[in-house]
Amino acid sequence: KAGVTQTPRYLIKTRGQQVTLSCSPISGHRSVSWYQQTPGQGLQFLFEYFSETQRNKGNFPGRFSGRQFSNSRSEMNVSTLELGDSALYLCASSLQEYTEAFFGQGTRLTVV
Amino acid sequence: AQSVTQPDIHITVSEGASLELRCNYSYGATPYLFWYVQSPGQGLQLLLKYFSGDTLVQGIKGFEAEFKRSQSSFNLRKPSVHWSDAAEYFCAVAPTGGGNKLTFGTGTQLKVEL
Repeated sequence: KAGVTQTPRYLIKTRGQQVTLSCSPISGHRSVSWYQQTPGQGLQFLFEYFSETQRNKGNFPGRFSGRQFSNSRSEMNVSTLELGDSALYLCASSLQEYTEAFFGQGTRLTVV
Repeated sequence: AQSVTQPDIHITVSEGASLELRCNYSYGATPYLFWYVQSPGQGLQLLLKYFSGDTLVQGIKGFEAEFKRSQSSFNLRKPSVHWSDAAEYFCAVAPTGGGNKLTFGTGTQLKVEL
């Protein structure tokens, strides 16, 4: 059974640009969550989607957005990139509500 | 707001020695509790979870954790550490009835001396 797949694995972007990251959950999983991991702030929750609806949102500016498609695949978008957005972005999928989350390998975003 | 504290930033143990990583949480009710492990540049791998029931839970790779409600703790243990256990360990909580939103501790970096 394939795990959570995140693409791309690495990205380098310039300040002011926007970026889209993709996440394919484990087959049959309906919940997808996104996290940002940085050395200074640690692991922080961005948002969660369940059956195409955003169910939870963390404390991030509106530049961070996401969506989920009918096949449960999810994308997150960051507009007007700042240097501080450089981080490892992790996606996690869960079968349904209140079950354990399985993480992908992450996308390493570097903003220069 | 819920929070998770991992008081030990770094721990060094000798191979074959026992290990205990501490985790305390702050939450109004009993949350769902998890331990994850992360190797450099990789994602998070779930070691074990506690939802309800038996307070001693077994996980993968020989790890176990004990939930103590009175101490708001969920410490991770392993009787004999292997060099391959060197990694960063994260304790996390999710609110009951609050979806799959995890709050993580700051992590404990484990070094294993041969």
